[in-house]
Amino acid sequence: DTEVTQTPKHLVMGMTNKKSLKCEQHMGHRAMYWYKQKAKKPPELMFVYSYEKLSINESVPSRFSPECPNSSLLNLHLHALQPEDSALYLCASSQDSGNTYNEQFFGPGTRLTVL
Amino acid sequence: QKEVEQNSGPLSVPEGAIASLNCTYSDRGSQSFFWYRQYSGKSPELIMSIYSNGDKEDGRFTAQLNKASQYVSLLIRDSQPSDSATYLCAVKPITSYDKVIFGPGTSLSVIP
Repeated sequence: DTEVTQTPKHLVMGMTNKKSLKCEQHMGHRAMYWYKQKAKKPPELMFVYSYEKLSINESVPSRFSPECPNSSLLNLHLHALQPEDSALYLCASSQDSGNTYNEQFFGPGTRLTVL
Repeated sequence: QKEVEQNSGPLSVPEGAIASLNCTYSDRGSQSFFWYRQYSGKSPELIMSIYSNGDKEDGRFTAQLNKASQYVSLLIRDSQPSDSATYLCAVKPITSYDKVIFGPGTSLSVIP
């Protein structure tokens, strides 16, 4: 069983809606990640949180707003998205982010459709 | 040159055969290498990590690393139809331990 959970599994939203994706990990990890994955492409890193602080923002548009309330939770707030933002959004976690040997474990993802 | 490259697919092998998946990377200082399996519509699942030159075996899977050649491979012995998936090679660049760089993936189809 995956120890990284994501809700919702599917989300359909209009371009004027505001919604949030949620991620929780139960492994005591201190680094959490958001990825975006389009069909037949590899995951594309969006954000990295290390010890609850944003350490990497891969030049993601401001309509995506991450939040890390504590070391187990990660949110991605969505506002005024475009149809091209439709994708699988993946959350991952690792023991921490500053160690080359740390493995990342993915949650099941949220399939987002923007109409 | 792309940072992480994988052999272009799709790769088809008969059931019971050995599937060989290859990956090359450009950052010579990279120390950590990962193989993920991703079934259609699902999220990536970590199947192997390798950090030292040589072979690492786990059940039917063997990862091979050659840092001098900047090459990492994954062998799947006794391939099963359930192994049909996309396999993603991921490399941690020495410039940033915060991230992994994914290759484009190789789609594997095991034919019964």
